[in-house]
Formats: sequence, structure tokens, C-alpha cells
Amino acid sequence: GDSVTQMEGPVTLSEEAFLTINCTYTATGYPSLFWYVQYPGEGLQLLLKATKADDKGSNKGFEATYRKETTSFHLEKGSVQVSDSAVYFCALAPRGSARQLTFGSGTQLTVLP
Amino acid sequence: NAGVTQTPKFRILKIGQSMTLQCTQDMNHNYMYWYRQDPGMGLKLIYYSVGAGITDKGEVPNGYNVSRSTTEDFPLRLELAAPSQTSVYFCASSYWGQGVLEKLFFGSGTQLSVL
Repeated sequence: GDSVTQMEGPVTLSEEAFLTINCTYTATGYPSLFWYVQYPGEGLQLLLKATKADDKGSNKGFEATYRKETTSFHLEKGSVQVSDSAVYFCALAPRGSARQLTFGSGTQLTVLP
Repeated sequence: NAGVTQTPKFRILKIGQSMTLQCTQDMNHNYMYWYRQDPGMGLKLIYYSVGAGITDKGEVPNGYNVSRSTTEDFPLRLELAAPSQTSVYFCASSYWGQGVLEKLFFGSGTQLSVL
């Protein structure tokens, strides 16, 4: 079945550091890929997405590129802020299937001032 | 625009008690979901619905029931609560475009403890 594997946390960075959170997936066909973010005490929010190979999703300074050859969708940000402290989830959704949205286990990011 | 609203935010149950977690959305989404999130884990799908009157099991449905009488509401029922059901529960609804999932909208969650 489909699966998502993401980098173990927690990750602690200083403000303005470069961030990479690795995400790889296993799926048949051409799934859509997502990054969701969960701030403390809140539900998940969509951060960015990509629906086909070589697409780059971007939002709030975060970027991720859909790499079919390496089955990856790594999240990057050039300069993190304290306000980026949250849990980040990678997820995939096969085309046409409501049931099979699959989430990774989440990566806790803490940014120190 | 309220989005997805869940109640209650916190609840403590005794073993064997029952309760209903409420979820309502005002975006006219056909698809709605219930997930649970255990500490340090990703989200696991409990039940989902593709429209009023239609529900189906997800990955971890045992111990739960759902109903979908309207587009807006998707309550989750726990019967005979067990400590293994201690978790954070999230309701979500989704927007699809041309057969592709565009986005999930999540509620703020219900933290449930069964003691």
C-alpha cells in the first residue's frame, strides 16, 4: 500500500538557519503530494502542494519539489523564524480516492531566537 | 466563514462511558473525515463520508460509529470507551477538483482521555 516516510524529529534550529525536512513516498501511479503544518493547539493547515512530477509547491517561504525519480518531496526554507515552530506533516493522495490519503508521522520543528 | 467546527475541545471519560464528538462544516464539502492522532504518530483515518447518507471505514474504525444525515454534520460516536481511545481527534472536510484532492480543512481537534 501507499506510505509516507518523513524525517524523524525533533529538529531544533536557530533563527535564520536553513531548514530541510525529508519526505519520501511509496505509491502507485501519480499521487498528489502535500505538506501540512500544525501549530500548537490547532488543527492541521495546508502549507503547500504539488500534483505532478517536477511541480514545485511554495508558500510562506517554504518550498518542496515533486521528484518522481527519487520519490521525494522534501520541504525547505532558506531562513526560518521562531514563528515557524510547529509540527510538519508530509502526505499523499492517490487520484480519485478519498480514503487513501496517507500522512507521515510528523516532524517537530523548534526555532530558537 | 467558520470552516470546520469541532466540539468539545477537551473531554475526560471513564472506561465504558459513551460520547459523541460533534463536527460541522459550512463550506458545502461532500467529503468529510475523522482522524485520530496519537502522540508522536501521524494521523490515522477512522471513518470517512463522501456525502450525506454514505459512510465508510478507514484504517482504525473499531470502537467507533458515524452517521452523515446532512452535508454539514458528521458526528463520531464512541461506545464503551477504552483507554486505547485516548487520543486527539480531528474532523476534516475536503475540496476536490477534477478528481484530484485539492485541500483538507481541519477542525481544531478534541483531546479525549479515557481513564
